[in-house]
Amino acid sequence: QKEVEQNSGPLSVPEGAIASLNCTYSDRVSQSFFWYRQYSGKSPELIMSIYSNGDKEDGRFTAQLNKASQYVSLLIRDSQPSDSATYLCAAEVGSARQLTFGSGTQLTVLP
Amino acid sequence: NAGVTQTPKFQVLKTGQSMTLQCAQDMNHNSMYWYRQDPGMGLRLIYYSASEGTTDKGEVPNGYNVSRLNKREFSLRLESAAPSQTSVYFCASSADRVHTEAFFGQGTRLTVV
Repeated sequence: QKEVEQNSGPLSVPEGAIASLNCTYSDRVSQSFFWYRQYSGKSPELIMSIYSNGDKEDGRFTAQLNKASQYVSLLIRDSQPSDSATYLCAAEVGSARQLTFGSGTQLTVLP
Repeated sequence: NAGVTQTPKFQVLKTGQSMTLQCAQDMNHNSMYWYRQDPGMGLRLIYYSASEGTTDKGEVPNGYNVSRLNKREFSLRLESAAPSQTSVYFCASSADRVHTEAFFGQGTRLTVV
């Protein structure tokens, strides 16, 4: 079992819809969780971090963390074509708190 | 502000050749990382350095060596390149190892033939 798992997708949503991206992790001790966005041919960039159970909102983005279920999600409201990218979930896992990534979910927002 | 700078951006090697990927950050970060990215595999950690003078293995260290030359620089060396090492390599840095954002370089696309 991978330490961080994502639905590989791809995921397509129409412009203006809500895109929902999901991630599970296996290390119960993990405390820090991140969502990175990666455009094709570019490097990853951080869009959200979350450390506590519940929701964290930043503009059109909402991260949700449920430590009991070992589940992290990212909601993108009012999706735009410019949101089309691969979204990488990451968690600090293991005793060394290594930043470990899922395989990514490719999102396409259709105009 | 350059952030994290990697060189080279592209490289083609023959099997058995050696090379060093260079990485430097100007953000005074303590921690630095090397990842490789293959299609459908996400980012996999090769080595990391929590602070100057320390290095630790990540998920896929075999075939690689690293040097944390100083606080700014963290290099990745392939001693004898193999086709399986064809990948995109990313260097990243963060202020500390826990609870802080990682910033990535622009990547090095390496092909081993």
